[in-house]
Amino acid sequence: NAGVTQTPKFQVLKTGQSMTLQCAQDMNHEYMSWYRQDPGMGLRLIHYSVGAGITDQGEVPNGYNVSRSTTEDFPLRLLSAAPSQTSVYFCASSYSGPTDEQYFGPGTRLTVT
Amino acid sequence: QKEVEQDPGPLSVPEGAIVSLNCTYSNSAFQYFMWYRQYSRKGPGLLMYTYSSGNKEDGRFTAQVDKSSKYISLFIRDSQPSDSATYLCAMSPAGNYGGSQGNLIFGKGTKLSVKP
Repeated sequence: NAGVTQTPKFQVLKTGQSMTLQCAQDMNHEYMSWYRQDPGMGLRLIHYSVGAGITDQGEVPNGYNVSRSTTEDFPLRLLSAAPSQTSVYFCASSYSGPTDEQYFGPGTRLTVT
Repeated sequence: QKEVEQDPGPLSVPEGAIVSLNCTYSNSAFQYFMWYRQYSRKGPGLLMYTYSSGNKEDGRFTAQVDKSSKYISLFIRDSQPSDSATYLCAMSPAGNYGGSQGNLIFGKGTKLSVKP
C-alpha cells in the first residue's frame, strides 16, 4: 500500500513552459485535491475532485487544469508556467470528502525561472 | 482579514514544556476543526479532529474548540523533540456533503521547535 504518490519530487521550468504533476493513490479514495504551499500563505486549495469524472475549482485555480479519468489518478497541469507558480505542490486524498482524514503525498517542489 | 488566522511563530520551547497553539477564525459557520502536523519537507498528516465545540484528548495532545470566541487550541503536554514540526489548523463549515463549502480552510501554520 503506497498511499499517495507524487512525481516528480523536484522540477525547474522556464516561464511559458507547460508540465503535468502526477498524483496517484491506491486506497480507493473518492476525494482528491491539489494544494499549493507558499511561505507565509499556508495551504491553498487549487482544484479538487469528488470522484472519477468530477472536478471543481478551489481557491486558486487560475493557470492550472485537472482531470480525473480514474479513481486512482489526479494529474495537475500547468498550462504556461509563471514565476508566481513557484511553490510546493501537495496532492491529497480522502475516503469521501474534505473533512475525512486527508492523506498527503510527499510534495513536488517547483521552481519557475 | 483572512478567514483563519494563525501565528506562524517560530515557537521554541524546552523539552517537557506545555505547548499551546492557537487559531482564530471569523466565519461562525465553521463546524469541523482539524489539526495537521507537518514535519520538515514532508506532507501534512492529521493529528486531531473535532466536530463542533468541546475538547478532545489523545495521549499528550488536547484539542479545544470555543465557538463563542471563534478560537481553537492545541495543547501538547510533556513536549518532546520529536514534536518539532509545523502545526496547521484547518476548518470547514459544511463537511463532506457541502460541495465547495466543505473544503478545508487552512491556517498559515505555526513552526514549533522543542529543544532537548
